[in-house]
Amino acid sequence: AQSVTQLGSHVSVSEGALVLLRCNYSSSVPPYLFWYVQYPNQGLQLLLKYTTGATLVKGINGFEAEFKKSETSFHLTKPSAHMSDAAEYFCAVSDVSGSRLTFGEGTQLTVNP
Amino acid sequence: SQTIHQWPATLVQPVGSPLSLECTVEGTSNPNLYWYRQAAGRGLQLLFYSVGIGQISSEVPQNLSASRPQDRQFILSSKKLLLSDSGFYLCAWRAGHTTPYEQYFGPGTRLTVT
Repeated sequence: AQSVTQLGSHVSVSEGALVLLRCNYSSSVPPYLFWYVQYPNQGLQLLLKYTTGATLVKGINGFEAEFKKSETSFHLTKPSAHMSDAAEYFCAVSDVSGSRLTFGEGTQLTVNP
Repeated sequence: SQTIHQWPATLVQPVGSPLSLECTVEGTSNPNLYWYRQAAGRGLQLLFYSVGIGQISSEVPQNLSASRPQDRQFILSSKKLLLSDSGFYLCAWRAGHTTPYEQYFGPGTRLTVT
């Protein structure tokens, strides 16, 4: 069975600083991996996805993530944080059939002025 | 383009009352449909998913049920609400039989059981 671990339930950065949100997964087969963002009282929005091919994936709002099979990781980064990036971020992995996603517990990102 | 709707946006219900939350998807056919719940400060819990009309898979035994009376309509129900049913309910869809596997989420319903 797939599982996802997000290291750090809360991350705080200064505006303009690097954002790094960590995600490690467990999967018995090559995974499909996703990052979602959730703003307060809203649904989840897809930031980016890894399916096959290039291991560095670029998403919306300047975010990117790198799939590292040897480390079973899919960390999310952004070079320069903006106040509008403050939100909760979820990493997810698809099961073999694609019928279900397993989500991590989420990381709350705070951006300080 | 595809759009997913949920209503109501917010709901306050007393313990023991019934519940009906509705989700509809536009712009696609034969989607997979999902109901999730987020309790305060918690992650997402998958409640039900459906791969077609009348086909419901339950992930968590509880006093909730789901139905899919039409291809793009998914309903979450309860006969008698519990305090523990409070939370943020999210509906999601994905393309039925093809990759990619990402899911797209609706705006959610905030349910408070008093």
